[in-house]
Amino acid sequence: GESVGLHLPTLSVQEGDNSIINCAYSNSASDYFIWYKQESGKGPQFIIDIRSNMDKRQGQRVTVLLNKTVKHLSLQIAATQPGDSAVYFCAENPITNSGNTPLVFGKGTRLSVIA
Amino acid sequence: NAGVTQTPKFRILKIGQSMTLQCTQDMNHNYMYWYRQDPGMGLKLIYYSVGAGITDKGEVPNGYNVSRSTTEDFPLRLELAAPSQTSVYFCASSYLKSGRETYEQYFGPGTRLTVT
Repeated sequence: GESVGLHLPTLSVQEGDNSIINCAYSNSASDYFIWYKQESGKGPQFIIDIRSNMDKRQGQRVTVLLNKTVKHLSLQIAATQPGDSAVYFCAENPITNSGNTPLVFGKGTRLSVIA
Repeated sequence: NAGVTQTPKFRILKIGQSMTLQCTQDMNHNYMYWYRQDPGMGLKLIYYSVGAGITDKGEVPNGYNVSRSTTEDFPLRLELAAPSQTSVYFCASSYLKSGRETYEQYFGPGTRLTVT
């Protein structure tokens, strides 16, 4: 079946550097993508989203890039801080003939920030 | 708003016991979801609901049941607990807006369940 995958399971970044977390998706019919952050012992928290009619969207210190040609999504975190240490999940919303379907989540990437 | 609340936070069950995980949201969201998350893994959808009285199976529904009698509540029932159901369970909700649809899901804090 369709799936959302991640290139790297873990990522270690020096404090102050920029982080890039990648995600590959396989459902070309997906029209909406989200990045979530999950800290230890907590539920996932929304970071940023992007629709398929866009290729870039910026938030506070975060940027999401969407490349529909190669079905690739990335999350860029500027000036990474210790509080950014968490597991990051990408999720896609496939559009099917039955209408809206729930988000499909990837396995996640653990980001560790080195002080 | 409290957002999405879940009870209990922790629970230990013996094999064969049953229990209900409670989930309530106060954001008037029409969509609600139940996920399970095994250690070091992503989220797997168990069941979801698009509104009161309507439920649908997700990726891993076996061993679980749900009901949605009100907009606010979406309980998850385990009838015969098995060790394979040891996991962290997350409830989530979202609102489908007319015109500009949105799929952002808000998650609860989770219920950590151990079956021994």
